[in-house]
Amino acid sequence: DTAVSQTPKYLVTQMGNDKSIKCEQNLGHDTMYWYKQDSKKFLKIMFSYNNKELIINETVPNRFSPKSPDKAHLNLHINSLELGDSAVYFCASSQDNMGYSNQPQHFGDGTRLSIL
Amino acid sequence: DAKTTQPNSMESNEEEPVHLPCNHSTISGTDYIHWYRQLPSQGPEYVIHGLTSNVNNRMASLAIAEDRKSSTLILHRATLRDAAVYYCILRGRNTGGFKTIFGAGTRLFVKA
Repeated sequence: DTAVSQTPKYLVTQMGNDKSIKCEQNLGHDTMYWYKQDSKKFLKIMFSYNNKELIINETVPNRFSPKSPDKAHLNLHINSLELGDSAVYFCASSQDNMGYSNQPQHFGDGTRLSIL
Repeated sequence: DAKTTQPNSMESNEEEPVHLPCNHSTISGTDYIHWYRQLPSQGPEYVIHGLTSNVNNRMASLAIAEDRKSSTLILHRATLRDAAVYYCILRGRNTGGFKTIFGAGTRLFVKA
């Protein structure tokens, strides 16, 4: 069984479009994350949600809007896509009790977004 | 923000031990040291983590310096499947949330 699953795996679209990426975890974790890995392979945290509440927003443009309908899901909607949004987006989850970061993060396999 | 420094790349022979170093001189008392690895076209995979004492699991060992300003990930017998980018990161409680900062990592090449 896949612990953290993202859909779609690949997403090719044109500049200016709006698209969504979905993420689900079946680990019972209370914290979920979105990361962006650019062409230089740096992984940067974008958002973190704990029990459906936004707790980290790393100066991401407001074209990016995460939504957590429940603890097991964290979706990412992107408006007006730009060329610079081309990257691999990873979803992750962890069990972080009261903010103590002693638990591992589990990552999905990524969504490869290409903007034409 | 606490950051880590790792060599860009390392090379190892198959079935030999590998010691991957990491410097984190600005580590705070509540930061945990985590190691992840990323195989090609996959998401990062958790390897091991620790706070002060050395740690062992089925994948690797983590040796933490007494002053906690550096650590070493030890792969006891490298295999071709261990070829990946290894990230040493610090996870600490930050005002308003849980912050994880990934560096550039060390690309490990394993020769047959």
